[in-house]
Amino acid sequence: NAGVTQTPKFQVLKTGQSMTLQCAQDMNHEYMSWYRQDPGMGLRLIHYSVGAGITDQGEVPNGYNVSRSTTEDFPLRLLSAAPSQTSVYFCASSYSGTVHTYEQYFGPGTRLTVT
Amino acid sequence: GNSVTQMEGPVTLSEEAFLTINCTYTATGYPSLFWYVQYPGEGLQLLLKATKADDKGSNKGFEATYRKETTSFHLEKGSVQVSDSAVYFCALSENTGGFKTIFGAGTRLFVKA
Repeated sequence: NAGVTQTPKFQVLKTGQSMTLQCAQDMNHEYMSWYRQDPGMGLRLIHYSVGAGITDQGEVPNGYNVSRSTTEDFPLRLLSAAPSQTSVYFCASSYSGTVHTYEQYFGPGTRLTVT
Repeated sequence: GNSVTQMEGPVTLSEEAFLTINCTYTATGYPSLFWYVQYPGEGLQLLLKATKADDKGSNKGFEATYRKETTSFHLEKGSVQVSDSAVYFCALSENTGGFKTIFGAGTRLFVKA
């Protein structure tokens, strides 16, 4: 299994540009999430999905869009990039299992810089 | 709402020293508790977990005990190595009806040879 994969690994955008961060998992997990990691702030949830066709907002959703047309893929779209979106983005997947622990499996991250 | 508070870093230790990273939480219901580790340039990976009160999670010499009475889940290791240098995140997830994970701010650990 490849686990959770993310592309690209690095990206530089100019203010106002749009782009899509790709995320895929091959573990048949029902839950997928996008987080951003900023210094001193831990991980903050952007959007999440509890299954194909179902998405919802997290803590910091503004400026981002998601969709989940398949169980495997969960792309994150930046609509009009702003310098405040400079961050490291992590995709994660999880499943409930028999004990409902929801441990997360993370991708390697995308480092985004907006100039 | 649910929250996780962990000690601020960085924590700097010499090799073979004893490590404690404090973590306390606020949650309704009966959450599962986790420690994740992030090595430089990588994503987070699960280090250990505990799903109910008095459970002890352990892995790679690290351990943490789920203490409901003190709402704590402190991470400990008896003898750290240089390779343990990383950022450690305490986290919780609700077991009932929701899966969202709440993370602490992270504690950076430096271990000197």
